Amino acid sequence: GNSVTQMEGPVTLSEEAFLTINCTYTATGYPSLFWYVQYPGEGLQLLLKATKADDKGSNKGFEATYRKETTSFHLEKGSVQVSDSAVYFCALSEGATNKLIFGTGTLLAVQP
Amino acid sequence: DTGVSQDPRHKITKRGQNVTFRCDPISEHNRLYWYRQTLGQGPEFLTYFQNEAQLEKSRLLSDRFSAERPKGSFSTLEIQRTEQGDSAMYLCASSSTGSGNQPQHFGDGTRLSIL
Repeated sequence: GNSVTQMEGPVTLSEEAFLTINCTYTATGYPSLFWYVQYPGEGLQLLLKATKADDKGSNKGFEATYRKETTSFHLEKGSVQVSDSAVYFCALSEGATNKLIFGTGTLLAVQP
Repeated sequence: DTGVSQDPRHKITKRGQNVTFRCDPISEHNRLYWYRQTLGQGPEFLTYFQNEAQLEKSRLLSDRFSAERPKGSFSTLEIQRTEQGDSAMYLCASSSTGSGNQPQHFGDGTRLSIL
């Protein structure tokens, strides 16, 4: 079945460092891909999405490109802030219902 | 747009009791999803409604679980005879059926703790 694999956390960075969180997927067909973010005590918020190969999703300085050839959707940000500290989930949509298949999440801790 | 609302935020109950959670989706959204999230894991799909019809159920949804969306608006998720393994965060999400793959908007979840 379809699945998403994310790099293990936690990822600890200093403020203004470059961020990469790796995400690869296994899927039949061509799913849409998403990054969601979960701040402490809150629900998941959509960060960005891409619906087809070579699409780049971007929001709040974060970017991810849908790479069909490597089945990847890595999340990047050029300069992280303390306020970016959260858990990041990579996900794909599956089937006619568009239900989401999530990775296990990556905890990002940014230190001042 | 008031967002997806879930009630209660927290529920603590004894093993064997029944519990019911409520989800109010974004008003114009006709798609509604329930997910379960355990500590350190990503959310796992439980069930899906389009309007009032329940169109898909995960194998995770045992016979003790039932979900309804009677008028195609709010939804309830009931767990009967709760077990320790039911302790988790239960998340509700909604989306529209516009063109393309519309993103799901999540509520803050209901955290269930079984004593």
